[in-house]
Amino acid sequence: NAGVTQTPKFRILKIGQSMTLQCTQDMNHNYMYWYRQDPGMGLKLIYYSVGAGITDKGEVPNGYNVSRSTTEDFPLRLELAAPSQTSVYFCASSYYNTGREQYFGPGTRLTVT
Amino acid sequence: KNQVEQSPQSLIILEGKNCTLQCNYTVSPFSNLRWYKQDTGRGPVSLTIMTFSENTKSNGRYTATLDADTKQSSLHITASQLSDSASYICVVSASNGNKLVFGAGTILRVKS
Repeated sequence: NAGVTQTPKFRILKIGQSMTLQCTQDMNHNYMYWYRQDPGMGLKLIYYSVGAGITDKGEVPNGYNVSRSTTEDFPLRLELAAPSQTSVYFCASSYYNTGREQYFGPGTRLTVT
Repeated sequence: KNQVEQSPQSLIILEGKNCTLQCNYTVSPFSNLRWYKQDTGRGPVSLTIMTFSENTKSNGRYTATLDADTKQSSLHITASQLSDSASYICVVSASNGNKLVFGAGTILRVKS
């Protein structure tokens, strides 16, 4: 079991560029999540999905899009990168609901300049 | 407003010493509280989970306590090791939907 994997590990983007952060889990979890972690702050939920074909906004969804075509994959899309999106992004997954333990990926460090 | 406050923000202790980290929350209605350990450059990993009826739970040298009346939790680390150096995050789950509230974390550094 690889658990939750994320690619890339690091990325530098110029303002206005687009990119997709990849997330895959092999635990057959139905719930998946995207968070961002800014220095000195708690993790903030961007988007989550309760199953393939279903996504919903979290606390800070502006500037991001997601899709969930399979149980395993939950990519996060940044369309027009802005400096405010400089952060560390974590993907997580869990069984059934957020009350269950969430398993986190190793994170993607994104810098927008 | 649902909030989780952790203290101290950071802590330095000598190897072998004990320490206690604090978590106060205002999340309602309460479902459970987890402590996560996040090593530098890694994702958080769950240490313990506590529900409303549980006062104490241990995981090796880590012991978590919960006082649901005062909405406080603590994480006690016994006989600290260099590998305990990490950020410790308190996360509270609300029972009225898909809501997790994360604290900002306490950064612990264990020195030899």
